[in-house]
Amino acid sequence: NAGVTQTPKFQVLKTGQSMTLQCAQDMNHEYMSWYRQDPGMGLRLIHYSVGAGITDQGEVPNGYNVSRSTTEDFPLRLLSAAPSQTSVYFCASSRAGDSYGYTFGSGTRLTVV
Amino acid sequence: DQQVKQNSPSLSVQEGRISILNCDYTNSMFDYFLWYKKYPAEGPTFLISISSIKDKNEDGRFTVFLNKSAKHLSLHIVPSQPGDSAVYFCAATTGGYQKVTFGTGTKLQVIP
Repeated sequence: NAGVTQTPKFQVLKTGQSMTLQCAQDMNHEYMSWYRQDPGMGLRLIHYSVGAGITDQGEVPNGYNVSRSTTEDFPLRLLSAAPSQTSVYFCASSRAGDSYGYTFGSGTRLTVV
Repeated sequence: DQQVKQNSPSLSVQEGRISILNCDYTNSMFDYFLWYKKYPAEGPTFLISISSIKDKNEDGRFTVFLNKSAKHLSLHIVPSQPGDSAVYFCAATTGGYQKVTFGTGTKLQVIP
């Protein structure tokens, strides 16, 4: 099993550009989430999904869009990149009701200049 | 509003001694708590969890204690090993584990 796969691992964007961070899981997990990690801020939830076709906002959703057309994929779209979106982004997935919590991908380090 | 707080950004402990990492939460609706461990350039990995109906859960060298009245939990690592050096995140969730809120993390350094 590959687990949770995030691409790309590194990305540099110019202010105003748009891009999509890809996330795929092969564990047939119902739940998927996107977090960003910033120094001193911990992991903050951007968006999450409890199943295909269902998404909801987390703590810091502004500037980001998500969709969940399949169980496996949960892409995160940056609409118009800003320097404040420079961060490390983690995608995670979990089986519904699983007390072991989320399985995380290895992250995407994004720099917006 | 930080609902899950880890007030110690870092902690240094000698190898073989006990490491105690603390976490406070403000949302009384949280009923399930987790600890994750994170190494540099990797994603967090699940370590141990506890339900709000319990006050202690043990897994090998790791024990989590929950004090619901104080809205406080702690992670004890005994004995600490150099490989335990990592950032530890406390997390909390309600009901069906759909939405997990994380703390700011504590960087643990175990000195050989």
